[in-house]
Amino acid sequence: ELKVEQNPLFLSMQEGKNYTIYCNYSTTSDRLYWYRQDPGKSLESLFVLLSNGAVKQEGRLMASLDTKARLSTLHITAAVHDLSATYFCAVALRVVLSGGGADGLTFGKGTHLIIQP
Amino acid sequence: GAGVSQSPSNKVTEKGKDVELRCDPISGHTALYWYRQSLGQGLEFLIYFQGNSAPDKSGLPSDRFSAERTGGSVSTLTIQRTQQEDSAVYLCASSLEYEQYFGPGTRLTVT
Repeated sequence: ELKVEQNPLFLSMQEGKNYTIYCNYSTTSDRLYWYRQDPGKSLESLFVLLSNGAVKQEGRLMASLDTKARLSTLHITAAVHDLSATYFCAVALRVVLSGGGADGLTFGKGTHLIIQP
Repeated sequence: GAGVSQSPSNKVTEKGKDVELRCDPISGHTALYWYRQSLGQGLEFLIYFQGNSAPDKSGLPSDRFSAERTGGSVSTLTIQRTQQEDSAVYLCASSLEYEQYFGPGTRLTVT
C-alpha cells in the first residue's frame, strides 16, 4: 500500500522567512504532484514533477523530486501572507505508459501553512 | 476555458437515501477521477476512468458506491443507502496527460 507522509502538518511562520515542506512516499513512483487548497476551495495545481532530479519554480515556491530517496520538497522563499494555505503532495500509484493520464493519486495529509504579516 | 464543473455544490440528504453527484470534465480530457475529502480520512481516491477502458474502481469504499461515465464525458457518482460516514466533499478531476485539474466539489451532508 502506498503511503505518503508530509511534514510538518502545521507551520506558522513570519513573512520574509524561508521554509521547506517535506513529502516522503513509500513505493517507487516518478510522478509527484503539489497542490494548494484555500479554505472552502478546491485544489489548485502547483507543480507536477515527472522525473528524478526534477526541479520546478513558480514565484516564491520551488519543488524538487528525488525518486531514489522517495522524497519531494516544497521550498518557500521570503514568504508572504498570500501564500497562507494548505499544501498537499500526492503520488501517482501507477504510471500509464500510453494514452496519457495517470492513475488515482494518493495524497499526504496536507501542511497547513500560516504566514504572519 | 471552462474548468471542471460539478453539481450540486451542496447536498443534504437523509440517512438511507440515494444520491447522485455529477461531474463535467474539461472538454477533450480523456481521464476522469473521483476523490473525496473528509476531516477524518483526508483526500481519498475513489475511481478513475480512462478513455474507453474499464474503470479503476479500487478506491471505492463499499458496494454502495458506483460511478459511470457516459460518452466519455460527463460522469455520475451514485451513493446508495447513504450513511453518516459518507458525509464529505466529493471532488472530481480530469486530465489529458499528467496534470489533474479539480472541480469545486460537492459537499454532501448525511443527516
